Amino acid sequence: AQKVTQAQTEISVVEKEDVTLDCVYETRDTTYYLFWYKQPPSGELVFLIRRNSFDEQNEISGRYSWNFQKSTSSFNFTITASQVVDSAVYFCALSEVAGAGSYQLTFGKGTKLSVIP
Amino acid sequence: GAVVSQHPSRVICKSGTSVKIECRSLDFQATTMFWYRQFPKQSLMLMATSNEGSKATYEQGVEKDKFLINHASLTLSTLTVTSAHPEDSSFYICSAAASGGAVDTQYFGPGTRLTVL
Repeated sequence: AQKVTQAQTEISVVEKEDVTLDCVYETRDTTYYLFWYKQPPSGELVFLIRRNSFDEQNEISGRYSWNFQKSTSSFNFTITASQVVDSAVYFCALSEVAGAGSYQLTFGKGTKLSVIP
Repeated sequence: GAVVSQHPSRVICKSGTSVKIECRSLDFQATTMFWYRQFPKQSLMLMATSNEGSKATYEQGVEKDKFLINHASLTLSTLTVTSAHPEDSSFYICSAAASGGAVDTQYFGPGTRLTVL
């Protein structure tokens, strides 16, 4: 069975600090996809990134960066120079191919990030 | 692009009534739509997977007769909570994926907060 672990339940940082959110996953699939979503207080999940299992290249998008390490089954997310607007719950998710070509997401429990001004 | 809407955003109803929630993909065709529920401070739990023109696939423990799902078109799926009870109070979120035949990104709606009195 697939599993996603986000060991950090809550993190608080002071504005402008860097912060890394950890994500460790388990899967028996050789092909899989990893995702990060942001859920601000409004409730809507915002897609941040998708990475497939064959692409271990790290990615940077503005203040966001992701480190995918297949050897340790980790897909960590770093926010550089954090801002108050980054305050949200962040979910890491893993895809699973369900029947008939459709797929399902297995979510971690989320990490609540609070950025203090 | 990839916008998903949900209506209503918030609903309060009396115990025993039925509530319908709509999920629409606004700028793409969604072969597959997913319905989740989220309890306070918890992760998302998949309720069912819905493919256009076919019956929804429910997760274990989800009553299909209580949570009726209809995916009548490539842009609309509805979830009807029948004979709602206070324990059904939750945050319901839908997502839509553009293609059911490949692993595609799920885009989420803003959610519907259901309160059953």
